[in-house]
Amino acid sequence: EDQVTQSPEALRLQEGESSSLNCSYTVSGLRGLFWYRQDPGKGPEFLFTLYSAGEEKEKERLKATLTKKESFLHITAPKPEDSATYLCAVRGGADGLTFGKGTHLIIQP
Amino acid sequence: EAGVTQSPTHLIKTRGQQATLRCSPISGHTSVYWYQQALGLGLQFLLWYDEGEERNRGNFPPRFSGRQFPNYSSELNVNALELEDSALYLCASSLPGSDNEKLFFGSGTQLSVL
Repeated sequence: EDQVTQSPEALRLQEGESSSLNCSYTVSGLRGLFWYRQDPGKGPEFLFTLYSAGEEKEKERLKATLTKKESFLHITAPKPEDSATYLCAVRGGADGLTFGKGTHLIIQP
Repeated sequence: EAGVTQSPTHLIKTRGQQATLRCSPISGHTSVYWYQQALGLGLQFLLWYDEGEERNRGNFPPRFSGRQFPNYSSELNVNALELEDSALYLCASSLPGSDNEKLFFGSGTQLSVL
């Protein structure tokens, strides 16, 4: 059974204070690791897909990296508008995505 | 281009009743996924429809069912509602092809069971 664990559950940062969110996974044959952003009252919004260890992708202040056991979402010099819940998901042997519970990120001005 | 639309936005039911939730995918998307997001839990996979057929279902009882129509819109039905069914139900769509897992989500239906 595919499993995804995200840490920390919640993170409060000052504006400009860089940090990383962790996603540890157990999957039989990784067919993709996905990062989504979810704002309150809305559905998740796609950010990145990573397929193999060593792969990195960037978008504005966000960079996602992947190893064989975990993925990191690095946030550089965050702004208050980066506040959201960040979700990690994997696609393994089964169809459909397995999601983690998310990291609730708050960026204080 | 319109995104994934879900209706209703909010739905209030009592125990034992039935609920019907609707989803319209992005134009050109043939796959529709349903997820349940209960408070404190991650998104739990419910159902996957593609080309009108149910392709897979998650670990939920049979009272959770659905269908996909010829225009690729979808309906989720929950029978004999229980209090623990209270959650945000999210619909997502994707392009044809089972390898395409870039899902586009709607804003969800908040179901409250009293």
